[in-house]
Amino acid sequence: AQSVTQPDIHITVSEGASLELRCNYSYGATPYLFWYVQSPGQGLQLLLKYFSGDTLVQGIKGFEAEFKRSQSSFNLRKPSVHWSDAAEYFCAVEAGKSTFGDGTTLTVKP
Amino acid sequence: GAGVSQSPRYKVAKRGQDVALRCDPISGHVSLFWYQQALGQGPEFLTYFQNEAQLDKSGLPSDRFFAERPEGSVSTLKIQRTQQEDSAVYLCASSSDSRSYNEQFFGPGTRLTVL
Repeated sequence: AQSVTQPDIHITVSEGASLELRCNYSYGATPYLFWYVQSPGQGLQLLLKYFSGDTLVQGIKGFEAEFKRSQSSFNLRKPSVHWSDAAEYFCAVEAGKSTFGDGTTLTVKP
Repeated sequence: GAGVSQSPRYKVAKRGQDVALRCDPISGHVSLFWYQQALGQGPEFLTYFQNEAQLDKSGLPSDRFFAERPEGSVSTLKIQRTQQEDSAVYLCASSSDSRSYNEQFFGPGTRLTVL
């Protein structure tokens, strides 16, 4: 069975600083990989996804993620964080059905 | 067009009561998913419909949980004899087709509190 680990429960960064959120997955083959963002009271919104091809994928809101097969990782990055990026971020694996990590809460300091 | 909607947004039930949670997917979306999100955790898969067919119900935690989508659009998740451990946010998502890598569009969820 697949699993997803997001090692950082909570991350705080200053506005304008760079961001990296970690995601590690466990699955026997290359799965489909997703990053979602959830703001309070809102549903999850897809930021980006990877299923084949270029291992660096671009998403909405200036986010990108890199798939590294050797490390079973799919880390999310943003070069300059905005206050509006404060939210909870979920990494997910799709291999027949979706499995989500427990999320990373991002706080942005002014 | 409208996104995925869920009702009610909040539900408080006494232990032992039955509840019904509704999901209106995006019009024309073939696939519909239900997830349970406990506090501080990620969503956990409950069940999946392709049109009116329930193709996967492996995530339903007990036989008290039942989901249906009789006409291939609106879906209802029913929980019988609610227990305190059922307290969670229940998320519904829909997707335009059955391919695994297609984007799922999520509703805002129904927060269920069982007293």
